[in-house]
Amino acid sequence: NAGVTQTPKFQVLKTGQSMTLQCAQDMNHNSMYWYRQDPGMGLRLIYYSASEGTTDKGEVPNGYNVSRLNKREFSLRLESAAPSQTSVYFCASSRDRVSYEQYFGPGTRLTVT
Amino acid sequence: DQQVKQNSPSLSVQEGRISILNCDYTNSMFDYFLWYKKYPAEGPTFLISISSIKDKNEDGRFTVFLNKSAKHLSLHIVPSQPGDSAVYFCAASIYNNDMRFGAGTRLTVKP
Repeated sequence: NAGVTQTPKFQVLKTGQSMTLQCAQDMNHNSMYWYRQDPGMGLRLIYYSASEGTTDKGEVPNGYNVSRLNKREFSLRLESAAPSQTSVYFCASSRDRVSYEQYFGPGTRLTVT
Repeated sequence: DQQVKQNSPSLSVQEGRISILNCDYTNSMFDYFLWYKKYPAEGPTFLISISSIKDKNEDGRFTVFLNKSAKHLSLHIVPSQPGDSAVYFCAASIYNNDMRFGAGTRLTVKP
């Protein structure tokens, strides 16, 4: 039972490059989330998927797109990376949208130069 | 607009003593509050929570207190252990809505 897994763990991009962060959960959860963590800012919600087939914007969605591929997988795409997107990205899941407890993956540290 | 604030970036306590981590919020609509614990190179893990209809919740060495009139919550760890050294995030949520996190407090428990 791996919980929430994320790939890759580390990534360095040049400005303008694109990449996709992958996330998968094996807890049969309905809801999944992408957060970014920046120094002094806490975690901020980028996008979430309340259930398979739906996605919605969070607090800081600009510059990102998401895909809920199936119930297990939720990916985050940066189409044209910018230095402001240098951050640690966490994926999380919860049983459903009204379940407050979220389970987090180990994070992806992304640097954009 | 930071709706959840943890004003102490760090806290250092001696093993066996009490650790008190504080959190303030601005939105009176928040109805559920959580504490997460994060070790380096790992994701946050859920620690303890409290509903807005309560003012205290205990789980072993961990107790969360909620003061709605002051819009303040605190996490007490008694007794503190070296393994408790981590970053602690408080979070607040409105039913079926986004969770807002504080910036975190780094707790160091010295042997």
